[in-house]
Amino acid sequence: AQKITQTQPGMFVQEKEAVTLDCTYDTSDQSYGLFWYKQPSSGEMIFLIYQGSYDEQNATEGRYSLNFQKARKSANLVISASQLGDSAMYFCAMRVPPDSWGKFQFGAGTQVVVTP
Amino acid sequence: NAGVTQTPKFRVLKTGQSMTLLCAQDMNHEYMYWYRQDPGMGLRLIHYSVGEGTTAKGEVPDGYNVSRLKKQNFLLGLESAAPSQTSVYFCASSSLAGGSYEQYFGPGTRLTVT
Repeated sequence: AQKITQTQPGMFVQEKEAVTLDCTYDTSDQSYGLFWYKQPSSGEMIFLIYQGSYDEQNATEGRYSLNFQKARKSANLVISASQLGDSAMYFCAMRVPPDSWGKFQFGAGTQVVVTP
Repeated sequence: NAGVTQTPKFRVLKTGQSMTLLCAQDMNHEYMYWYRQDPGMGLRLIHYSVGEGTTAKGEVPDGYNVSRLKKQNFLLGLESAAPSQTSVYFCASSSLAGGSYEQYFGPGTRLTVT
């Protein structure tokens, strides 16, 4: 069975600093996808970044980058130059094809609070 | 382009009442999903559908039923609501195209069962 673990329930970060959110996963499949979503206090789920298991380079999307360490089975999200609007819950998720029909396994989430 | 919409946004039910949550997507996605979100537990998959007329159980299906009569709609039903079903419900959809199977989420429905 696949499993996603986010060990940091919450963290504070100062504005303009970088923050790393931890995510480890467990799967025996060779082909899988890793995702990060942001959920602000308004409640919607916002897609941030995707990393495929065969991608050799770490994914980047603006201020977001995914530090993918395949051997360690970790997919940490790095947010550079934090902004007040980054305060939110962040979820790591994994998809394992082909039998999963696109189903995701979500971690419990990390609450980030950005302070001035 | 509305993406994924959910109706209603809020609902309060009494124990034993029934209701249906409606999810609609206008992206022609093949796959659709219903999740529930409870504090400290992330999102858990209730049911999902891989195409019109097909549904399957997820991680926490008990007490829920679903139907997908049209490709763009995915309905979640509670036949006899229980307080344990108090939660925020999210619908999502994804496509075979693109390779990532990124899921697009609706805004959520906050359900309280008293």
